[in-house]
Amino acid sequence: GESVGLHLPTLSVQEGDNSIINCAYSNSASDYFIWYKQESGKGPQFIIDIRSNMDKRQGQRVTVLLNKTVKHLSLQIAATQPGDSAVYFCAENNDTGFQKLVFGTGTRLLVSP
Amino acid sequence: DAGVIQSPRHEVTEMGQEVTLRCKPISGHDYLFWYRQTMMRGLELLIYFNNNVPIDDSGMPEDRFSAKMPNASFSTLKIQPSEPRDSAVYFCASINQLGLWGRDTQYFGPGTRLTVL
Repeated sequence: GESVGLHLPTLSVQEGDNSIINCAYSNSASDYFIWYKQESGKGPQFIIDIRSNMDKRQGQRVTVLLNKTVKHLSLQIAATQPGDSAVYFCAENNDTGFQKLVFGTGTRLLVSP
Repeated sequence: DAGVIQSPRHEVTEMGQEVTLRCKPISGHDYLFWYRQTMMRGLELLIYFNNNVPIDDSGMPEDRFSAKMPNASFSTLKIQPSEPRDSAVYFCASINQLGLWGRDTQYFGPGTRLTVL
């Protein structure tokens, strides 16, 4: 029979809407966080990062918010475009692992024209 | 810059055969990572190198997997013998240690899709 695969949560939005993708991280010692975007058939692509001494960081059309109290990370995309359709991963890192990133399971973003 | 280069892009092989995946990191990057991505387990770190030396191979699933980095511009991931459960997309990534905050973003290659029949 078929194996049960990892079910990705999906966020469906209309073009022009703002999107918010959430991520719960696991390690309270993690002090560096990254959001990656992965389009179909491609490798993950860096979007934005944030250190634990910050609550918010902004890029072009994207904002990352960090709530260390509840170990929660979010990615906000303003004026979402069809080209934003992809799977988005958060990743965490701590000094112990230095460059060792631990990736979340991902969220699929679908943008309708 | 051409980015991280991986070859082949697709590999189909039969169970029991040896498979070799190749990676060329971005020039000047001193860390290289091998990841595996499956629907069941997501994106997993297998091993990473610093200045061609393996630093952490705790993610390598079993002895059938081995990785080498003979020089700064080339790395291989070998599976021998391959099994159907090894079917996945394998990514290589590299970084320059001296990035912002001392931990730069990892740049991923396009991946190799491996199918073991």
